[in-house]
Amino acid sequence: AAGVIQSPRHLIKEKRETATLKCYPIPRHDTVYWYQQGPGQDPQFLISFYEKMQSDKGSIPDRFSAQQFSDYHSELNMSSLELGDSALYFCASSQTSGRIETQYFGPGTRLLVL
Amino acid sequence: AQTVTQSQPEMSVQEAETVTLSCTYDTSESDYYLFWYKQPPSRQMILVIRQEAYKQQNATENRFSVNFQKAAKSFSLKISDSQLGDAAMYFCAYSPSQGGSEKLVFGKGTKLTVNP
Repeated sequence: AAGVIQSPRHLIKEKRETATLKCYPIPRHDTVYWYQQGPGQDPQFLISFYEKMQSDKGSIPDRFSAQQFSDYHSELNMSSLELGDSALYFCASSQTSGRIETQYFGPGTRLLVL
Repeated sequence: AQTVTQSQPEMSVQEAETVTLSCTYDTSESDYYLFWYKQPPSRQMILVIRQEAYKQQNATENRFSVNFQKAAKSFSLKISDSQLGDAAMYFCAYSPSQGGSEKLVFGKGTKLTVNP
């Protein structure tokens, strides 16, 4: 079965640079979620989109922005990167029309800020 | 705000034995979902099992089963016939069921070691 695709899988950036993470949800899934997982931490919710509209927002820094496009893929844009942004960034997708809205996770993008 | 607590930072089990991981949560909602996700060293987040709060029957997936106690707000995971491949970080997660687009709230995780 098709899974969530994230690109790139690894990314190395310098402080104050910009990064763009991409997520391609499972086909027919209409909701995308972004999570950030620091070393030794549990995943923390950043933001979600349903049918291309922002549906919920968590502890996402103002330096970050995201959107969902007409083909349902999503991009997380991160500017003025800081050392503390080094983390594993997950995208998850779900099919909201279903009763059980299970979120299926992509493999994650490992971001290292130097 | 909803919270999820996993009181066992680490657990270990002998291969082929049974182990139970604990999870408690706090919510004022009556309908919600509960999940267990597994994160092996590759750090992929893999769904293990899910439970709908309105269902009294405990969910089962092969060697994995849960003990869901709604009144006690407890959701433990039992792994039977443990295998080396079960070694991973296990996260308990909560999600409300308010019509979609609801974020997961995770516990801090339990690191499971399987000894041969």
